[in-house]
Amino acid sequence: AQSVSQHNHHVILSEAASLELGCNYSYGGTVNLFWYVQYPGQHLQLLLKYFSGDPLVKGIKGFEAEFIKSKFSFNLRKPSVQWSDTAEYFCAAYGNNRLAFGKGNQVVVIP
Amino acid sequence: GAGVSQSPRYKVAKRGQDVALRCDPISGHVSLFWYQQALGQGPEFLTYFQNEAQLDKSGLPSDRFFAERPEGSVSTLKIQRTQQEDSAVYLCASSLGGSSLFSNQPQHFGDGTRLSIL
Repeated sequence: AQSVSQHNHHVILSEAASLELGCNYSYGGTVNLFWYVQYPGQHLQLLLKYFSGDPLVKGIKGFEAEFIKSKFSFNLRKPSVQWSDTAEYFCAAYGNNRLAFGKGNQVVVIP
Repeated sequence: GAGVSQSPRYKVAKRGQDVALRCDPISGHVSLFWYQQALGQGPEFLTYFQNEAQLDKSGLPSDRFFAERPEGSVSTLKIQRTQQEDSAVYLCASSLGGSSLFSNQPQHFGDGTRLSIL
């Protein structure tokens, strides 16, 4: 079955610091990859997605993610975070007709 | 509104009671999904509808869980004889495409129903 791993569940950093969240998936076939964000008190929102083509994907709010097929990874990055980026971030992979989520990364940005 | 709407937002029930959770997807969305999110975990797939057809229910944890979408729009997730381990946030999501197109259509999530079983 498809599975997604996210590490470093709790991340605390200062404004202007760089952020990188790791994501690894298990499915070996064709897979579509997503990052969702959940701001405090809000619902899950799509941050960015990868289906095919350029493995470097640009999302909203300055986020980007890189798909590395050989490493089964889809890491999320932002060069300079803001306080408003405080949220929980979920990586998800679609394969075999279902969407599998990681456990999430709780990110806290200190002003 | 334009988003996925779920009700109630919060539900408290005694162990053994039946509960029903409602999801109004985005108008025109063919696909509808239910997820269960336990505290500190990511959402776990429960079931998937394409219009009124329930195409995948392999994620339902037991036969106490039942979902329907009789007219291909609103969906209800019912849990019978609730147990404490059913306490979680239940998320509904919808997407525009059908199963063959699903992988190219991101899912839009509702706010969820937080279920607490006493």
